[in-house]
Amino acid sequence: AQSVSQHNHHVILSEAASLELGCNYSYGGTVNLFWYVQYPGQHLQLLLKYFSGDPLVKGIKGFEAEFIKSKFSFNLRKPSVQWSDTAEYFCAVGGRNTGKLIFGQGTTLQVKP
Amino acid sequence: EAGVAQSPRYKIIEKRQSVAFWCNPISGHATLYWYQQILGQGPKLLIQFQNNGVVDDSQLPKDRFSAERLKGVDSTLKIQPAKLEDSAVYLCASSPHPMGGTEVFFGQGTRLTVV
Repeated sequence: AQSVSQHNHHVILSEAASLELGCNYSYGGTVNLFWYVQYPGQHLQLLLKYFSGDPLVKGIKGFEAEFIKSKFSFNLRKPSVQWSDTAEYFCAVGGRNTGKLIFGQGTTLQVKP
Repeated sequence: EAGVAQSPRYKIIEKRQSVAFWCNPISGHATLYWYQQILGQGPKLLIQFQNNGVVDDSQLPKDRFSAERLKGVDSTLKIQPAKLEDSAVYLCASSPHPMGGTEVFFGQGTRLTVV
């Protein structure tokens, strides 16, 4: 079955702390991987994506993610979070030949100033 | 570039009533999606269009949900009759490439409350 599992449902950090959000997926075939972010009151926005090549991908606002094929993982990282990173983060997987995205349940990140 | 437009932003209806949502994708985007996001969960695909043809509607509850994309541009999603468990945010999204497989752009969604 195709699925995405995000390890943490709710994360609370202080500003300048490091962030790592876990994401594991189950999917038959070659995949594209995404992290989307939803700031309060806003629509889902792409944070970063992996299609092929270097498994360490960099996104907007200092975020990066590493694709580890052997572990079926695509964890999101940021060395130092800011209060403005408070948002909900979604990991998603899609097949190479389909636009259908399968989302994880999301992680709510709260950054305390 | 204008984003994906959806209306209305909010809707409250009683169970057994009908409701319709409208979506205008980004200009030129061939692929259009409707997702349902229940509180505390990630979005779940309901239906995917390629131009005006349906590509995937395997998770659309067809006894009560219907969707169309006339002329391959705007789309409407209808629920008739609504149930309490249909309370969710309905997200429209579009992608520029045939069959997707690349970045998908989302609208702000319509928050439906069924009472």
